[in-house]
Amino acid sequence: EVQLVESGGGLVKPGGSVRLSCAASGFTFSDFNMNWVRQAPGKGLEWVSSISTTSSHKYYAHSVKGRFTISRDNAKSSLYLQMNSLRADDTAVYYCARRRQHQLVRGVYWFDPWGQGTLVTVSS
Amino acid sequence: QSVLTQPPSVSEAPRQRVTISCSGSSSNIGNNGVTWYQQLPGKAPKVLIYYDDLLPSGVSDRFSGSKSGTSASLAISGLQSEDEADYYCAAWDDSLNGPVFGGGTKLTVL
Repeated sequence: EVQLVESGGGLVKPGGSVRLSCAASGFTFSDFNMNWVRQAPGKGLEWVSSISTTSSHKYYAHSVKGRFTISRDNAKSSLYLQMNSLRADDTAVYYCARRRQHQLVRGVYWFDPWGQGTLVTVSS
Repeated sequence: QSVLTQPPSVSEAPRQRVTISCSGSSSNIGNNGVTWYQQLPGKAPKVLIYYDDLLPSGVSDRFSGSKSGTSASLAISGLQSEDEADYYCAAWDDSLNGPVFGGGTKLTVL
């Protein structure tokens, strides 16, 4: 069974740091681009960051660029998100998601599956 | 403010059909595939439709998707109470190098 399990969330003070982890199983992790998506309480989905299979390409949403760092360890089938300089508006459930893509058509991507999410609360 | 525009809510009676719209621009929907996600209360999102109108295995054929220009739609026929959920459209955005999402539409089955 393809599965993603996030961990590392919790209560963090403004300006603090936290590192999220996502453990993958049931598929060849190193074959897939991986992503983080977040959802603030009662709000919609916001893409946060993506990382290519060999970590050669990393992309970030404008709202987190310079504060968050995505990384992966293919030997451990794990994805990470280092979150620094946290603000109250970073409070959200953070999901990791595997990116699928059409083999022949560019620009056709979707996330499947998603993990169950881990809640990060930034508050004093 | 989400990049893709969806109605905040829709409602319809059981066994009826409902559509949810999603409007974007040439840098996202107009140039790339649209995905629809269903998020049941307290759960992670799950893909319903990908590449505009394709259903993953295991998804009911009561769900269908379409796209025209910079807009897309999700249709759900034969509404059931278990369809009550939030629905999100998404598309890759060429300027962002990542996906953009709609704000989500809450479906209520009356």
